[in-house]
Amino acid sequence: KAGVTQTPRYLIKTRGQQVTLSCSPISGHRSVSWYQQTPGQGLQFLFEYFSETQRNKGNFPGRFSGRQFSNSRSEMNVSTLELGDSALYLCASSPGTGAWGYTFGSGTRLTVV
Amino acid sequence: AQRVTQPEKLLSVFKGAPVELKCNYSYSGSPELFWYVQYSRQRLQLLLRHISRESIKGFTADLNKGETSFHLKKPFAQEEDSAMYYCALNLLDNQGGKLIFGQGTELSVKP
Repeated sequence: KAGVTQTPRYLIKTRGQQVTLSCSPISGHRSVSWYQQTPGQGLQFLFEYFSETQRNKGNFPGRFSGRQFSNSRSEMNVSTLELGDSALYLCASSPGTGAWGYTFGSGTRLTVV
Repeated sequence: AQRVTQPEKLLSVFKGAPVELKCNYSYSGSPELFWYVQYSRQRLQLLLRHISRESIKGFTADLNKGETSFHLKKPFAQEEDSAMYYCALNLLDNQGGKLIFGQGTELSVKP
């Protein structure tokens, strides 16, 4: 079955702009999580959605938001972009709580200039 | 606070040598631990989960609650094992899970 699909693969944005990233989970997976990966901070949890409800949120400013649709697809939005938001954003899906692990997408590489 | 520590940023071994990538965690509950691997230019992949007690690609990991460790081991390293390895703890919160990752260990297997 198809894996986790993230679009776009690459993005270049200017400071102050906003950006929307998309994630399609594995068919049947209802949980979608988002992570930020940077060389300095490593992999950090952003938020997790299940059946269109945000269940968990990491320690990121309110400029980072997300949502999940009825078909489990998820979007992540970052407003008022800062240079420090440059990172690889990863999406992961699982059937439920992640007890058996998460499947990750290839990520969206965001560069803020 | 919940934390995952991988003390080695880089581990370099020769082909055929044993490998041990260290992982220690800090968590008061019953841990759900995983090892993820990221090969060059590939996506993050699940390698092992402690709940399965499995061996994948010759790798094993045993949960030691007394030492709060979940070290990854392989008796004979192969060049194709060269990759970035992440230990992760799945925290259950609000009925959902979230992964706390270690900083990662880069494994380099030399011929």
